[in-house]
Formats: sequence, C-alpha cells, structure tokens
Amino acid sequence: DAKTTQPPSMDCAEGRAANLPCNHSTISGNEYVYWYRQIHSQGPQYIIHGLKNNETNEMASLIITEDRKSSTLILPHATLRDTAVYYCIVRVGGSARQLTFGSGTQLTVLP
Amino acid sequence: ETGVTQSPTHLIKTRGQQVTLRCSSQSGHNTVSWYQQALGQGPQFIFQYYREEENGRGNFPPRFSGLQFPNYSSELNVNALELDDSALYLCASSHRQGITDTQYFGPGTRLTVL
Repeated sequence: DAKTTQPPSMDCAEGRAANLPCNHSTISGNEYVYWYRQIHSQGPQYIIHGLKNNETNEMASLIITEDRKSSTLILPHATLRDTAVYYCIVRVGGSARQLTFGSGTQLTVLP
Repeated sequence: ETGVTQSPTHLIKTRGQQVTLRCSSQSGHNTVSWYQQALGQGPQFIFQYYREEENGRGNFPPRFSGLQFPNYSSELNVNALELDDSALYLCASSHRQGITDTQYFGPGTRLTVL
C-alpha cells in the first residue's frame, strides 16, 4: 500500500471548516483513500473513503485531486468533539488486507 | 445494529502470564482483524481472521495467537506476557464482499503488564 504524509498537528476554530491534507504521491490506480479518526484512548472511527471521485457523507467530505496524489478531508463545521487524531490510509480495493496507520494529524478544535 | 464490542475493558497482568481478549463482530460481518496500539503510536496490525482461518499476519511473534468462532466472534491470546505488551488492543470487523471492506473498530481493551 502507498505511503501517506500528513502534518503532525493542526488547529481549527469551533464552527469553522477543518481542512486536513494528506499526500499520497505513490498511490496506485486500485488503491482507495480511507480516513479514520481516534479520540483519545477510544477505538478508531471510520469517517469516509474514496477512489477518485469526491465523496460526502454525514460526517465529512473527501476531496481527491485529479492526479490522485493528494486528498483533503473537510469537516464543514468543526465542534470541540471533533478534536482527535485523524489518519489518512491508502489501501488496495478488493482485498481484506490490513489498515496501515501512520502518525496521523492531531486536530485541535479551539473554542 | 450492534457495533463491535470487546471485553474486558481493562486488564492488569504480570510478566510471564497469559491473557485472552475477546471481540464480538458487528452484525453481518465475517472478518475480524486485531491491532495493537502502544502509547503515542498508531495501531499496528497483528492478524486477521476470515472463515475461522488466519488470513494475514503482521510482524508479531507466535506467542500472539487467535481464534475465530462460527458466529464470527474472535479471541486474541497472548502467552508469556512481556512488559512491552502493555498497550490498547483493538478489534475491527468487516464484511469481505465486493470492492471494499470497511473495517469498524471496537472500543479496545487496555492491557497493562507489570
């Protein structure tokens, strides 16, 4: 699976959009981009995933660049409960292979 | 729909002992994966079970073993505990079908080895 690069930390004001970037320049055509988050000492929570089209669900939006070498997770109206470590993971589709977690981005939502 | 559950929540053992952690997968899921998360690090893959067979293993020694039962629940067994085994142990379930199989995590079991 391709390697991902994320900033170690970011701050965001409550009520504003949080935009979390992820670089995956070596991504292959059959690899999906997954996002999880982990609130302190809890299990990781699935947020969203996509292949090449932009995706949106009730939690977030995922914007993938046309060349697929980077993506951005957008939390449209961040709340204090969104403070967590966010992991961007690239994974081959059609397999049940493991998730390979990097260091993630610590997002702190400030009041 | 019931999510992934794990038991116990916390556990304290001494070095050399053995431990069994349990996981009930989400309804309709047939695959269980186990991860170890040391303090301050991301989760590391231990192994995965599908149809009661081990289906992939990370860089963990044989004293880490597991089982999956016909109802798709699973156990993680660790023998000869070492201090470095202190960690949060996470179970994730998924349904192997189609293009992607999204893994959903349980709350974890916090193991402390003294």
